[in-house]
Amino acid sequence: GDSVTQMEGPVTLSEEAFLTINCTYTATGYPSLFWYVQYPGEGLQLLLKATKADDKGSNKGFEATYRKETTSFHLEKGSVQVSDSAVYFCALSGYNAGNMLTFGGGTRLMVKP
Amino acid sequence: GAVVSQHPSRVICKSGTSVKIECRSLDFQATTMFWYRQFPKQSLMLMATSNEGSKATYEQGVEKDKFLINHASLTLSTLTVTSAHPEDSSFYICSARGQGNGYTFGSGTRLTVV
Repeated sequence: GDSVTQMEGPVTLSEEAFLTINCTYTATGYPSLFWYVQYPGEGLQLLLKATKADDKGSNKGFEATYRKETTSFHLEKGSVQVSDSAVYFCALSGYNAGNMLTFGGGTRLMVKP
Repeated sequence: GAVVSQHPSRVICKSGTSVKIECRSLDFQATTMFWYRQFPKQSLMLMATSNEGSKATYEQGVEKDKFLINHASLTLSTLTVTSAHPEDSSFYICSARGQGNGYTFGSGTRLTVV
């Protein structure tokens, strides 16, 4: 079945550091890929998405490129802020799973001033 | 954009009582709603999927008699935790999907059973 693997956290960075959170997936066909962010005590918010190979999703300085050859969708940001501290979930939505979301385990990011 | 309202955000109940959590799509019709449970520092676990007007489909290992899901309209789904016990304490999140196939999440409900 479909699955998503993302790097375990917590990831601790200083403000203005470069961020990479790795995400790889297993799915048949061409799933859509997502990054969601969860702030403490809240639900999930869609951060960005990509629906086909080589698409780049971007939002609020975050970017991720759909790499079918490496089955990856790594999240990057050039300069993190304290307000980016949250848990980030990589997810996919595949036809074989009825387009339901499959989540990775989540990566906690802590940004220190 | 699409908004999903989930209430209550926090609830504390006594062991043996039942708790109802509501999930409403405010500006779109949710053909499908999903209920997740999230344990501390873990990912989301899908509990069940419900389509308007039909019975919910529960994931393996989820007790349908304990977690009652009703999706009576295109804008409202409810999850009732019946005869709650401390081990049911968790963070519950709903998600709604409209015709555009995008997912919108509620803000979650922190349930504490004492």
